[in-house]
Amino acid sequence: EAQVTQNPRYLITVTGKKLTVTCSQNMNHEYMSWYRQDPGLGLRQIYYSMNVEVTDKGDVPEGYKVSRKEKRNFPLILESPSPNQTSLYFCASSPSWGARYNEQFFGPGTRLTVL
Amino acid sequence: AQSVTQPDIHITVSEGASLELRCNYSYGATPYLFWYVQSPGQGLQLLLKYFSGDTLVQGIKGFEAEFKRSQSSFNLRKPSVHWSDAAEYFCAVGTISGGGADGHNFGKGTQLIIQP
Repeated sequence: EAQVTQNPRYLITVTGKKLTVTCSQNMNHEYMSWYRQDPGLGLRQIYYSMNVEVTDKGDVPEGYKVSRKEKRNFPLILESPSPNQTSLYFCASSPSWGARYNEQFFGPGTRLTVL
Repeated sequence: AQSVTQPDIHITVSEGASLELRCNYSYGATPYLFWYVQSPGQGLQLLLKYFSGDTLVQGIKGFEAEFKRSQSSFNLRKPSVHWSDAAEYFCAVGTISGGGADGHNFGKGTQLIIQP
């Protein structure tokens, strides 16, 4: 089944404790992206990647890191999480680098709480 | 930058009634426009998209949307809603690369509530 998977689905952590949220897609998509969703703010893009070893900042990149060493994986790293990073996170992928005109396929989301 | 506005935070509709969710875009040229649905506890799923051509676009689950350049709108419609349509709906516009982040800019979403 074609899908985007994220792990973990739920995570509660404390301020300053490094964490990684994994994202993997099995559709051979070049483009991958991370969004955060907050009430009243909709989805905001954190980082995106147009291909292996190519990443770029979205609208809200501060406090986050990403890497794209393999085409299928795009982990989101929070080196020192803070409470304002409590949010619902979505990974998405798209068939080509032209994500502005292609459908994006979303993972199920990761709900992160930072205490 | 390309952006979309969804003026309604919540919409309540009776089951079986018609639905229209509003979306206004900001972009000088012909935009790439999308509607996504997010069911509770799920990721977003594409309902339909518009690039060019016929201004009335058909999507999945009985939804359609009409692109109106004169009004800068891309409203989502359904003639008769079902209780399973209760979800959050997002309008999105494709962003141009080369200075801006490549991908979609999403509206803030409209929560659809279905009354029995």
